[in-house]
This record gives sequence, structure tokens and C-alpha cells, in this order.
Amino acid sequence: SQTIHQWPATLVQPVGSPLSLECTVEGTSNPNLYWYRQAAGRGLQLLFYSVGIGQISSEVPQNLSASRPQDRQFILSSKKLLLSDSGFYLCAWSVQQGKSAQYFGPGTRLTVL
Amino acid sequence: GESVGLHLPTLSVQEGDNSIINCAYSNSASDYFIWYKQESGKGPQFIIDIRSNMDKRQGQRVTVLLNKTVKHLSLQIAATQPGDSAVYFCAENRSGGYNKLIFGAGTRLAVHP
Repeated sequence: SQTIHQWPATLVQPVGSPLSLECTVEGTSNPNLYWYRQAAGRGLQLLFYSVGIGQISSEVPQNLSASRPQDRQFILSSKKLLLSDSGFYLCAWSVQQGKSAQYFGPGTRLTVL
Repeated sequence: GESVGLHLPTLSVQEGDNSIINCAYSNSASDYFIWYKQESGKGPQFIIDIRSNMDKRQGQRVTVLLNKTVKHLSLQIAATQPGDSAVYFCAENRSGGYNKLIFGAGTRLAVHP
């Protein structure tokens, strides 16, 4: 069966510091991968998606970037965090062909102080 | 603009009662819908999905109904239990080259003993 991992689970960072969040998927090959952000008590905002290694599309302009160095690894980064980057970051995967559900990881709670 | 939304932000029910969570969508071209459950501090969990060639789909204690005429989606939970307390999201698939989901704002389900 497929599993998706995210780390760290929680992170407290000062404003202006760099960020690296990692997501890995097991049990599937060539998945679509997604990064979402969820503000407290709100819905999910799609940040990036990837259909393959090195292929990244951004949904909204922001202080963040994403990379996919391996088929089942997706990384969310920032060079300098802003207060507004605080939130719950979720990684998800789906099969690449057709319309299907996205399956989410456990999330990373980021607090920028 | 087009969106997926929810009629009720909070729904309170008694344990053992049936729950109905509603969702409206505005894009008549959407043809795949998903319900997710999100417990506090966790990632969304897939519950059930339905394609537009169906009006109803049943799972374990859950039923999703799709009314394409009025663009309405509902999730019915039978014999609601305390463990069902969570935020429920509907999501709409508007694939235009990749498996993109548009999420509603969410409904909080509170189950009282």
C-alpha cells in the first residue's frame, strides 16, 4: 500500500530564516505531487504541483519554491521566511493518469516568529 | 467566480443521529467529486468519491449524493459517532491537464453524547 511521509511535524522558525520541508511517497511510481498550505480554520490553498522529476508548476506567487529531485520526493523551500508563511503545510500525491483522489500526508505545522 | 462552497460552517448532532453535510459547486463541467475528513492537527483523509455519471455512492456508514441539476453534493453519515467529529471538505475536480482539485471552505461536525 502507499504511504506518504512529511517532516518535520512541527517547526518554529524566526523571520528571515530559510525553510526546507520534505515529503516522500512510498508504494507508487511516477505520482503527481502537490504542496498545499492551510491557514488556521481555513481551507486548502494549492501552492505547487509536479507531474514528474524537475517539473514544478506554481499556483500562486509567493515567497516559497518547490523542487522534485527524485520521483517520490517533493521539497518545499524558502530563502527567507515571512510571518505570513506560518501555517499548516500539506503534501499530497495522486496517480498521474485520469481523475483521482489526492492522498495527503500528516502535515507540517510551521510557525514563523 | 466559480467555486466550491458549503452551506453550513458548523453542524452539531447527537450521537447516533444521521448527519448530512452539504456542498454547492458552480462549475457544471466538473465531473468528479471527493469528500475528505480532517481531524484536528492531521492531514485530510479520503472518505468517498463520486463521478458525474452516478447520482449516489455508498461506503461504510457514508453515502454521497450528487444532484447535477442544481449542482449540489451531500455527504450523509449514518449513526454518527464521536469519532466522526472533524472538519469535512468537499473537493471538485476540474482537470485541465493535471489532477487539480478545488476545495470548499469546510464544515465542522460536532457530535454530542
